[in-house]
Amino acid sequence: KAGVTQTPRYLIKTRGQQVTLSCSPISGHRSVSWYQQTPGQGLQFLFEYFSETQRNKGNFPGRFSGRQFSNSRSEMNVSTLELGDSALYLCASALGTEAFFGQGTRLTVV
Amino acid sequence: KQEVTQIPAALSVPEGENLVLNCSFTDSAIYNLQWFRQDPGKGLTSLLLIQSSQREQTSGRLNASLDKSSGRSTLYIAASQPGDSATYLCAVPRSNDYKLSFGAGTTVTVRA
Repeated sequence: KAGVTQTPRYLIKTRGQQVTLSCSPISGHRSVSWYQQTPGQGLQFLFEYFSETQRNKGNFPGRFSGRQFSNSRSEMNVSTLELGDSALYLCASALGTEAFFGQGTRLTVV
Repeated sequence: KQEVTQIPAALSVPEGENLVLNCSFTDSAIYNLQWFRQDPGKGLTSLLLIQSSQREQTSGRLNASLDKSSGRSTLYIAASQPGDSATYLCAVPRSNDYKLSFGAGTTVTVRA
């Protein structure tokens, strides 16, 4: 059974640019959540999608957005990148309330 | 707001010693509690999920206990090995949805 797949694994972007990260959940999982992990703040919840609808949103600026497609795949977009957006972005899919995480996308903003 | 605390922040033990990792949470009305392992720069690997109705859960050398009334969970790792070196995180969901609140983690080093 394939796990959660995140692409790309690594990204380097320049301040002011925008970026799109992708997450393919485990087959059959309809919930996809996104988290940001930084050394200073730890793991912070960004948002959660279920059946193409955003159900929960964390305390992040509007530059962070996401969407979910009918096949449950999800994308996260960050516009007007700032240096502080450098982080490991983790995606999780869930069945029931057990979460399974992908390997993450390491975003570096220079 | 659920707050999750993990103590200690770091732990170094010789190979073969048992590990005890603590997790506390402020809101005892949890749906379940999940323990994860994270290797440097990698994603989270689910270790154990304890439902709110359970007192403990076991998988191989791992055993996790849950005491909702006191807001605590403990992860025991028996006979530690160097391969157990990683950061261990506990997480609780808000009510029955998928927003997880994480502790800061305990970084474990097992010395050969």
